[in-house]
Amino acid sequence: EDKVVQSPLSLVVHEGDTVTLNCSYEVTNFRSLLWYKQEKKAPTFLFMLTSSGIEKKSGRLSSILDKKELFSILNITATQTGDSAIYLCAVGSYAGGTSYGKLTFGQGTILTVHP
Amino acid sequence: GAVVSQHPSRVICKSGTSVKIECRSLDFQATTMFWYRQFPKQSLMLMATSNEGSKATYEQGVEKDKFLINHASLTLSTLTVTSAHPEDSSFYICSATRTGVKDTQYFGPGTRLTVL
Repeated sequence: EDKVVQSPLSLVVHEGDTVTLNCSYEVTNFRSLLWYKQEKKAPTFLFMLTSSGIEKKSGRLSSILDKKELFSILNITATQTGDSAIYLCAVGSYAGGTSYGKLTFGQGTILTVHP
Repeated sequence: GAVVSQHPSRVICKSGTSVKIECRSLDFQATTMFWYRQFPKQSLMLMATSNEGSKATYEQGVEKDKFLINHASLTLSTLTVTSAHPEDSSFYICSATRTGVKDTQYFGPGTRLTVL
């Protein structure tokens, strides 16, 4: 059974701090790893990673994948209160020979940034 | 681009009734749509994968006769919760992938279902 594990499950920091969120996975037929941010409603897409060692960046957020060790990290520098959210890691895999991929989600990390 | 809508955003119904939730991709064609369920402070649990014009693929443990999925067009999928019971109360979220683009799923805003 495919498995995605995130750590820590929750994190409380102050504005300006840097945080690192972890995601490890055990998935057959791995295709990609995705990070999402979920505030009050539906998750919004942050990154999709398919290759090891290539960092993706968007503003204060960055992420990297290690396909040998089967994990990814999401870094957020100079955190702001608006970064408070649940961060979800999901792994995409081939689904039984079909053309579409399904995502297996981790439990999420609840990040709280205090002023 | 890549906007997904869901309707209704919130529904309250009596036990035993059926509820239909719509998921639409507004500015792209979605060959594949996914239905998830999320309990408070928990992650997303995939219920089923819906492909346009074919039967949905349900995850283990999800009753296909209770959660009816129809994907009649490239922009619309519906989830009908039949004979709803209080334990079906949850947050239901759909997502869609662009035709020809794998893995990146765009999520709808979700539907909060409360069964009394």
